[in-house]
Amino acid sequence: DAGVIQSPRHEVTEMGQEVTLRCKPISGHDYLFWYRQTMMRGLELLIYFNNNVPIDDSGMPEDRFSAKMPNASFSTLKIQPSEPRDSAVYFCASSFPRTGTTDTQYFGPGTRLTVL
Amino acid sequence: ELKVEQNPLFLSMQEGKNYTIYCNYSTTSDRLYWYRQDPGKSLESLFVLLSNGAVKQEGRLMASLDTKARLSTLHITAAVHDLSATYFCAVDTTQGGSEKLVFGKGTKLTVNP
Repeated sequence: DAGVIQSPRHEVTEMGQEVTLRCKPISGHDYLFWYRQTMMRGLELLIYFNNNVPIDDSGMPEDRFSAKMPNASFSTLKIQPSEPRDSAVYFCASSFPRTGTTDTQYFGPGTRLTVL
Repeated sequence: ELKVEQNPLFLSMQEGKNYTIYCNYSTTSDRLYWYRQDPGKSLESLFVLLSNGAVKQEGRLMASLDTKARLSTLHITAAVHDLSATYFCAVDTTQGGSEKLVFGKGTKLTVNP
């Protein structure tokens, strides 16, 4: 398996622009997670899905952020409008349900977002 | 609210030495994960600890879990330069069937020749 795939790997945009980050989870994984990593705040969970349904979006910082999962193999995280404080590395992760020894979350390579 | 604290946050050690990283968490949980992150890279799963007293070893790293003390340790034996990375522990919330993990801030390990 290719692992979790994210695109783009790097994104530089100007304040006020719309940004869309994409993720393809590992085939067969039921759960998909979006995280944000910054030096100041560490690794934060933004939202997670189970079987394409959003379960917990309490980590989404504000209404400018939205996430969708239209099918089992694709998810997007959108920021509109973007602000400089959104600059961070955004990771997508996927996993099986937490029922056994193989339930760890597998992380994608991340998207480094810079908002100027 | 579940809080996860790691210490130390920065660790500089010499090759060949032993050291332990600590991970404390604030509420009941029986699953704990350790991840490694190299600079500019993603997180790689190292260990999944599923029960009290669980111990897992891989090479020079050994992780253990004491759920009663709400403490996990990651012990490094005879460190080598290749172990230089940031190590994260993560604890699941085990509330209402949630699959959420709460991560510690990470321990940045530098192994010097």
